[in-house]
Amino acid sequence: TQLLEQSPQFLSIQEGENLTVYCNSSSVFSSLQWYRQEPGEGPVLLVTVVTGGEVKKLKRLTFQFGDARKDSSLHITAAQPGDTGLYLCAGREGTYKYIFGTGTRLKVLA
Amino acid sequence: NAGVTQTPKFRILKIGQSMTLQCTQDMNHNYMYWYRQDPGMGLKLIYYSVGAGITDKGEVPNGYNVSRSTTEDFPLRLELAAPSQTSVYFCASRTDYEQYFGPGTRLTVT
Repeated sequence: TQLLEQSPQFLSIQEGENLTVYCNSSSVFSSLQWYRQEPGEGPVLLVTVVTGGEVKKLKRLTFQFGDARKDSSLHITAAQPGDTGLYLCAGREGTYKYIFGTGTRLKVLA
Repeated sequence: NAGVTQTPKFRILKIGQSMTLQCTQDMNHNYMYWYRQDPGMGLKLIYYSVGAGITDKGEVPNGYNVSRSTTEDFPLRLELAAPSQTSVYFCASRTDYEQYFGPGTRLTVT
């Protein structure tokens, strides 16, 4: 089973700051997803990246898939309190299985 | 569209009891998944199904069983509940690149 390590585990920043969350593996994934999860709810998909080197932007969020498809990053510009939550990456292993990362808990202070 | 629904929302079990967690999706997805999430952590795959009548083990299948008699339903059975099964359980269904999660079942075994 492949492992996905996320860093940092916890992040507490002031509103308006920028941040980057990393998701790393020693194995190759066919695609990678990023989710945000709020307390008491299921994860909600933010983006799927498929091609090595791919960059996707979603308003203030920028997602990058590494060239070798082993790692990914999520960059948030000018963070807002509404960005607070648990961020999870998930790599697709083969055709059916998803392996989830260890999670990054983000708190944005007003 | 209801998406993915799970029942019950909360349950407390005594050690050794059994129960079934229900999951239903109305999106006609072939792929369905059961995950568990321990506090502050990512999700671990318990079982998955690629269609009616076809199921397979994930990372942490011990102590659980599943069945898939219809496209819509994917129940998860716990036999002989143990304290280590205290967790939040999420069911998901997916298209090619997107997973949709239910709201979760919070289970406590005491």
